[in-house]
Amino acid sequence: DAGITQSPRHKVTETGTPVTLRCHQTENHRYMYWYRQDPGHGLRLIHYSYGVKDTDKGEVSDGYSVSRSKTEDFLLTLESATSSQTSVYFCAVGLAGTATQYFGPGTRLLVL
Amino acid sequence: QKEVEQDPGPLSVPEGAIVSLNCTYSNSAFQYFMWYRQYSRKGPELLMYTYSSGNKEDGRFTAQVDKSSKYISLFIRDSQPSDSATYLCAMSVTGNQFYFGTGTSLTVIP
Repeated sequence: DAGITQSPRHKVTETGTPVTLRCHQTENHRYMYWYRQDPGHGLRLIHYSYGVKDTDKGEVSDGYSVSRSKTEDFLLTLESATSSQTSVYFCAVGLAGTATQYFGPGTRLLVL
Repeated sequence: QKEVEQDPGPLSVPEGAIVSLNCTYSNSAFQYFMWYRQYSRKGPELLMYTYSSGNKEDGRFTAQVDKSSKYISLFIRDSQPSDSATYLCAMSVTGNQFYFGTGTSLTVIP
C-alpha cells in the first residue's frame, strides 16, 4: 500500500463549513495527488504536488486548495463545503520517473 | 467528449472465461497507459503499466495498446471469482496528470 494513510476515513459536515483532509505517506515519494471519485465520472484529479510547496491544479480544482509543507503530508481543504463536493476522496503517491501511482484507502465525505 | 471512454458494464462471466476490457481515448499525445483494479470500498491498485504502444503480459493479465486506433485493452485469462472488481483504465501525456475511465464492473461467477 506504499505506506499511505488518509484521515479522516469518514466525515459528515454541513454546507458552508471548512473541511481539511489529510494524506500521509511514509516512503518519501516526491509526487502526491488528490482525486475525487463519483459515479459516472470515475476518478478525477483535483490537485497534485511535485515537491514541498510545489503544487498544481488538476481537472476539477475549483473549490479546493492544497498545501504541502512536508514531504510526507499533503492536505486538501474545502474552504466552504457544498453538497456537490460529497464524494469519495483518494490520495495517491507517484513514483518518480514512472507513471505509476499507489492509492490510499479513501475518505468518504458527505456534505449535508 | 471525455478524454477517456470506458464501458461501465456490468460484465458477468463464468469462472475460467477470458475477459476483455477496453478503453478508447481522444488525445493522441497520451503515452502512458495503466490498468487499475478496485475492490468495493477500497482504493485502486495498479495492475499493469505500459509506456507507448505494444503488449505487456503479467501472469493471467495482458495489456495491449493500439495508438493508431486510440484503443487499449486488458485481457484476463482463466478468470477467477477473486477477479470480481471494477477495472479502471488511466492515461497520461507526461506521467504527471492522469485521466481515468469511469471503470468497468466485472463479476466472475463460480
